[in-house]
Amino acid sequence: SQQGEEDPQALSIQEGENATMNCSYKTSINNLQWYRQNSGRGLVHLILIRSNEREKHSGRLRVTLDTSKKSSSLLITASRAADTASYFCATAMGYSTLTFGKGTMLLVSP
Amino acid sequence: NAGVMQNPRHLVRRRGQEARLRCSPMKGHSHVYWYRQLPEEGLKFMVYLQKENIIDESGMPKERFSAEFPKEGPSILRIQQVVRGDSAAYFCASSPASDYGYTFGSGTRLTVV
Repeated sequence: SQQGEEDPQALSIQEGENATMNCSYKTSINNLQWYRQNSGRGLVHLILIRSNEREKHSGRLRVTLDTSKKSSSLLITASRAADTASYFCATAMGYSTLTFGKGTMLLVSP
Repeated sequence: NAGVMQNPRHLVRRRGQEARLRCSPMKGHSHVYWYRQLPEEGLKFMVYLQKENIIDESGMPKERFSAEFPKEGPSILRIQQVVRGDSAAYFCASSPASDYGYTFGSGTRLTVV
């Protein structure tokens, strides 16, 4: 089964609003990463948060990690139409490869 | 720095033919990963390689699929005797070390007719 599961599966908001996506996982991790994929394109790495970190920021992105609940959230503030994409969380256990969830499809309407 | 280069972008093969997908990692990256993505789904891990070594092939089907990352040249994912179920987008990624973020290529879309 998938290590990471994103929630919701789809999210539709208006420009300027904030978008929050959640990821839950099952086993202990070394780090958790978020990626964006525009339709038909490769994935773009957004942010990596290690298991000993609780929060990281990158521009309009804020990621939190709660290892006790085995969950993470990605917040995109002041969303833009260009943020429309699928967002995936991926987990790494130890120094193994990344396991991806099925993603959240975000639609930002002008 | 050209990023991760995959070719071809699109590949059409008839059932029973061979498909060869190429991936050149970012300069300085020695770790290469192959993933497969079906429509509306996430990425499924296939294989992890370093130069001349397969580190983890737990996601590779036991038959017809093979991968290599030779000392010189790109990484190759080979699918022999393709079937319709092999139709998917195949993504390659690279990283400088095993606990870094990945840089993905644009993918190869394989269609088996």
